[in-house]
Amino acid sequence: ETGVTQSPTHLIKTRGQQVTLRCSSQSGHNTVSWYQQALGQGPQFIFQYYREEENGRGNFPPRFSGLQFPNYSSELNVNALELDDSALYLCASSPGTGGANVLTFGAGSRLTVL
Amino acid sequence: EDQVTQSPEALRLQEGESSSLNCSYTVSGLRGLFWYRQDPGKGPEFLFTLYSAGEEKEKERLKATLTKKESFLHITAPKPEDSATYLCAVQEAGTASKLTFGTGTRLQVTL
Repeated sequence: ETGVTQSPTHLIKTRGQQVTLRCSSQSGHNTVSWYQQALGQGPQFIFQYYREEENGRGNFPPRFSGLQFPNYSSELNVNALELDDSALYLCASSPGTGGANVLTFGAGSRLTVL
Repeated sequence: EDQVTQSPEALRLQEGESSSLNCSYTVSGLRGLFWYRQDPGKGPEFLFTLYSAGEEKEKERLKATLTKKESFLHITAPKPEDSATYLCAVQEAGTASKLTFGTGTRLQVTL
């Protein structure tokens, strides 16, 4: 069983640039969520995708956007990067949106904004 | 708004010295409380889900318990490989699969 894979693992950008992070969900999972984890903090919910549509969003501005593809993989896009966007971005997949589904997390993409 | 507070922020134990981690939460309607373990530079790894007050779950040296306001993660006779950050999260009923996390407890177990 393949777990959640994310790419790239590390990247460095400068303020104002745009970034795209990618995620492949675990086999059998149709729901993908994205979380931002700043250093020393717990993960914060960005949004969730189910059936290629956004299905819940946290307190993040519109410059954070996403996509889900028919194979359930997903992308997180961040425009106009700010220094505070530096964080570990975690993708998690689950087998649905109902019930207390267990999220399976990937290893994350470490973004540094200079 | 859901709130999750974990204590202590950091804990240092000697091998074999048992202790407990606390997770206090405020949520309108609890669908589930989750414990995850996170190693440095890695994503969180699922440990337990608890659904209702009075429930307990065990896995090796770890035991999680739940009341209406808090959860405890008991670590019995820990080993150095138990060193990690332990994260608690709640899922509110009606919020799809959104998890609200605490800031975690960094556990270090020394020989």
